[in-house]
Amino acid sequence: DIQMTQSPSSLSASVGDRVTITCRASQSINIYLNWYQHKPGKAPNLLIYAASSLQGGVPSRFRGSGSGTYFTLTISSLQPEDFTTYYCQQSYRTPWTFGQGTKVEIK
Amino acid sequence: QITLKESGPTLVKPTQTLTLTCTFSGFSLSTNGVGVGWIRQPPGKVLEWLALIYWDDDSHYSPALKTRVTITKDTSKNQVVLRMTDMDPVDTATYYCAHISVAGTVGYFQHWGQGTLITVPS
Repeated sequence: DIQMTQSPSSLSASVGDRVTITCRASQSINIYLNWYQHKPGKAPNLLIYAASSLQGGVPSRFRGSGSGTYFTLTISSLQPEDFTTYYCQQSYRTPWTFGQGTKVEIK
Repeated sequence: QITLKESGPTLVKPTQTLTLTCTFSGFSLSTNGVGVGWIRQPPGKVLEWLALIYWDDDSHYSPALKTRVTITKDTSKNQVVLRMTDMDPVDTATYYCAHISVAGTVGYFQHWGQGTLITVPS
């Protein structure tokens, strides 16, 4: 299985801050990398697919980049609704695997 | 508009078989490139991919659950069914189904159901 490792596992930030979450794959996955936002009690929400493509309706403050084994999700200016958990997920090979999540908390 | 909804029992006894149905609208599972997957999240834990099935009946399973899980589709009913045998308390989780879209060759879960909490008592 391809292991996905996110860092940090949690972070504290303020509204307006720029934050970056990293995701590393245990082997090269090209750009087969997606990012989801998951709020408690809700279904996960697709933010970024194919490493850097912004899903329709997602604010432009979310940006994905990377290829191979190293990927980042950057939120350029945190908004109150962004304080929640984020997951990366690879679809290069089954089993599709998720990272362990990064919880973004209010400082 | 694409929607998906999971249905099934909320409580399953140990050793019983869980049958979950994902009923969807807004897309067809006979369309080239389309798929549906199942994902679960135990309380306080991370997302775990379980299985997926594509328009052409190609299906894939988590190796950890391969002997216990079966995924099938009924295109005429717009449904995908997940069966998981020999349920255990560790299988307590919120189970989601999700629509798979493909950009080039990159698959991703574009739309998700609301999820259903399945409890297996100890």
